[in-house]
Amino acid sequence: AQSVTQLGSHVSVSEGALVLLRCNYSSSVPPYLFWYVQYPNQGLQLLLKYTSAATLVKGINGFEAEFKKSETSFHLTKPSAHMSDAAEYFCAVSTSGGSYIPTFGRGTSLIVHP
Amino acid sequence: DTAVSQTPKYLVTQMGNDKSIKCEQNLGHDTMYWYKQDSKKFLKIMFSYNNKELIINETVPNRFSPKSPDKAHLNLHINSLELGDSAVYFCASSQVGGGPTEAFFGQGTRLTVV
Repeated sequence: AQSVTQLGSHVSVSEGALVLLRCNYSSSVPPYLFWYVQYPNQGLQLLLKYTSAATLVKGINGFEAEFKKSETSFHLTKPSAHMSDAAEYFCAVSTSGGSYIPTFGRGTSLIVHP
Repeated sequence: DTAVSQTPKYLVTQMGNDKSIKCEQNLGHDTMYWYKQDSKKFLKIMFSYNNKELIINETVPNRFSPKSPDKAHLNLHINSLELGDSAVYFCASSQVGGGPTEAFFGQGTRLTVV
């Protein structure tokens, strides 16, 4: 079985501060991992993905994530938050054991203060 | 040119009615999905379908049924709508064969049952 846990349903940062959104996964086979962003009243947009190549993955809008197998983690970071980063962020996992159907975490709402 | 499009964007209907949501993808993907997003933003897989296999989340009531007229379309039919069916429904697609890709999402259909 595959699953994802996102620690913290809300994360609040000041504009210009580091953004860190946490994601831990559970899988008995090698995972594919994804981060998506959802703006209000919109669908989900892919930020970045890990597909067994480089463990440090760079995505759009200055975000990056590092796959750490020993910690079963795939945390999302951005050095300096912008007001426009305020949104809901979802971590997802897919594996061969789950027929590659993406399983999502419960989401983390990023709040950015001026 | 929208990759995954679903219609309608908003749907308000009375309890007991039957309704359908349409979804089309022009990405040439082999797999399509329906997800339900509840009021707490949790994304739950309802169905996964490719030209070989339909995978149904066992928690989904049998009032919900997917219909795929061809590889590019996966419509969602809902019979005897209930208040608890109110949610945002997302269609998505991905390429699984030949190495899985990320899922691409439609803009969502906000269903309100009154």
